[in-house]
Amino acid sequence: EAQVTQNPRYLITVTGKKLTVTCSQNMNHEYMSWYRQDPGLGLRQIYYSMNVEVTDKGDVPEGYKVSRKEKRNFPLILESPSPNQTSLYFCASSEQGARYTEAFFGQGTRLTVV
Amino acid sequence: AQTVTQSQPEMSVQEAETVTLSCTYDTSESNYYLFWYKQPPSRQMILVIRQEAYKQQNATENRFSVNFQKAAKSFSLKISDSQLGDTAMYFCALHNAGNNRKLIWGLGTSLAVNP
Repeated sequence: EAQVTQNPRYLITVTGKKLTVTCSQNMNHEYMSWYRQDPGLGLRQIYYSMNVEVTDKGDVPEGYKVSRKEKRNFPLILESPSPNQTSLYFCASSEQGARYTEAFFGQGTRLTVV
Repeated sequence: AQTVTQSQPEMSVQEAETVTLSCTYDTSESNYYLFWYKQPPSRQMILVIRQEAYKQQNATENRFSVNFQKAAKSFSLKISDSQLGDTAMYFCALHNAGNNRKLIWGLGTSLAVNP
């Protein structure tokens, strides 16, 4: 089954404690991205990756890091989480070809930073 | 600037009836794609329907159809024979071909289907 898998689905952490949210896709998609969803602000892109070892900033990259060492994985790293990073996070992947197809989304990670 | 606007924060419909959700957008690109995504209480983002801007024919997927008015930059979603399982947040999204593939999102419309 084609899917994007995020872990964990729920996470409560304390300010400053490094954490990683994993994302893996099994569709051999070249493009992957991270979004955060906040009430009243909608979904905003954090980082994206066009291929292995190719990453770039989205609209709200401050406080986040990513890496793309393998095609299937695109982890999101919060080196020193702060309460303003409390949010719902989505990983997405899509094909890179000329004919764009829809993005496939993970199930979301609800992060609370206290 | 690219924007997507959903002017109806909340809507409700009776089961089996038809409802239309509005979306307007703005882009200077000529080649783009439009999407409607559904987010049920499970939070999973699910693609409902997509429309290529170069296609004049409106997309249809079972009970879901769109009214794509390119000149007016309007992209509404019609749900026919509404079902309780259609209760969800619905997001309109825009992607410009050649972009970094970032989706530009509206703020969503919360749809409640009442029995």
